[in-house]
Amino acid sequence: AQKITQTQPGMFVQEKEAVTLDCTYDTSDQSYGLFWYKQPSSGEMIFLIYQGSYDEQNATEGRYSLNFQKARKSANLVISASQLGDSAMYFCAMREDHQGAQKLVFGQGTRLTINP
Amino acid sequence: DTGVSQDPRHKITKRGQNVTFRCDPISEHNRLYWYRQTLGQGPEFLTYFQNEAQLEKSRLLSDRFSAERPKGSFSTLEIQRTEQGDSAMYLCASSSSGSYNEQFFGPGTRLTVL
Repeated sequence: AQKITQTQPGMFVQEKEAVTLDCTYDTSDQSYGLFWYKQPSSGEMIFLIYQGSYDEQNATEGRYSLNFQKARKSANLVISASQLGDSAMYFCAMREDHQGAQKLVFGQGTRLTINP
Repeated sequence: DTGVSQDPRHKITKRGQNVTFRCDPISEHNRLYWYRQTLGQGPEFLTYFQNEAQLEKSRLLSDRFSAERPKGSFSTLEIQRTEQGDSAMYLCASSSSGSYNEQFFGPGTRLTVL
């Protein structure tokens, strides 16, 4: 069964510092996708970054990068030069790619607070 | 605005009443998903459509829940005989059939059952 674990309920970071949000996953599939979403207090889930299980390079999108360590089954999100607007809940999610499965399984999230 | 839209944004109902939510996906997306999110938790998958076909349903989707996407465009999620445990945020998402087909979420419908 799929499982996503986010062990940091809350993180507090000073503005302009880099922050790493942890995510570990459990799957027996060889083909899967890993996603990070941001959920501000307004409630909408905002897609940030994607990593495929066969991708050899870590994904990057602007200030976001994904530290993918396949053997350790971890997919940590790194936010560089944090901004006040980065304060939000962050969710790691996985999609297993067998039999046309499309559902995302989410972790419990990490609440990130950026202090000025 | 060409994002995913949901209506209503908030719904308060009494236990035992029926409620229906609507989701309008991004126009070129053929896949549509429903999730439920309770306070302090990540979203949980409910069901998924490709065009008008409902291809996957979670065990969370009890007999009181029904979802439709009759013309492969908008979708409705109906909850019959609501219970207090149904109180949650109901999120809709859509995606294309592209490379990694990331799901784009709507603003959600917050349901409160009194």
